Amino acid sequence: AQSVTQLDSHVSVSEGTPVLLRCNYSSSYSPSLFWYVQHPNKGLQLLLKYTSAATLVKGINGFEAEFKKSETSFHLTKPSAHMSDAAEYFCVVSGWEGYIPTFGRGTSLIVHP
Amino acid sequence: GAGVSQTPSNKVTEKGKYVELRCDPISGHTALYWYRQSLGQGPEFLIYFQGTGAADDSGLPNDRFFAVRPEGSVSTLKIQRTERGDSAVYLCASSLTGSGVGNEQFFGPGTRLTVL
Repeated sequence: AQSVTQLDSHVSVSEGTPVLLRCNYSSSYSPSLFWYVQHPNKGLQLLLKYTSAATLVKGINGFEAEFKKSETSFHLTKPSAHMSDAAEYFCVVSGWEGYIPTFGRGTSLIVHP
Repeated sequence: GAGVSQTPSNKVTEKGKYVELRCDPISGHTALYWYRQSLGQGPEFLIYFQGTGAADDSGLPNDRFFAVRPEGSVSTLKIQRTERGDSAVYLCASSLTGSGVGNEQFFGPGTRLTVL
């Protein structure tokens, strides 16, 4: 069985300040973890993925995430928010044997000027 | 095209009608997924195809929902006797193989279904 919990439904930051979107997962096996972004009226786009290589994963647009097995977490960070980062972000878990990804409920990132 | 396409982008129908939603995956991708996304929620898995066969349809909510992929490329999601609760955005994704972990899914823009 697998599940994913995004701890915040909304995160509000000022432009130029750091971003932290939190994700905890549960998996019966070694997971693969993903972060996707969804801009309004646009399709889901992969930001980054963890597949048991390096625990610190760098993605597009300056985002990165760190896999912490002891904490079962995969939080998404960015040093400095841009207005264009405002979107919905989804954390996703998939298992080595299981090919059906499970999505979190999403975190809405709001960026203030 | 280079990406996953879905048609129509919007579909408005009346309760009780039949609808078909189409997904055209990336060429060469053997795996195809359908998801449903309700307002304020993450995508919910419906069905997964590997080639022409439905490898996992455990997410289909009831027998009013059916999907096909007859030639291993384009897929159609069919909903009979639509209900207001079926209103959602229906997302399609494809990936190169689908087997094994870490296979990136490429998503289409979705079809917004509204049942009046």
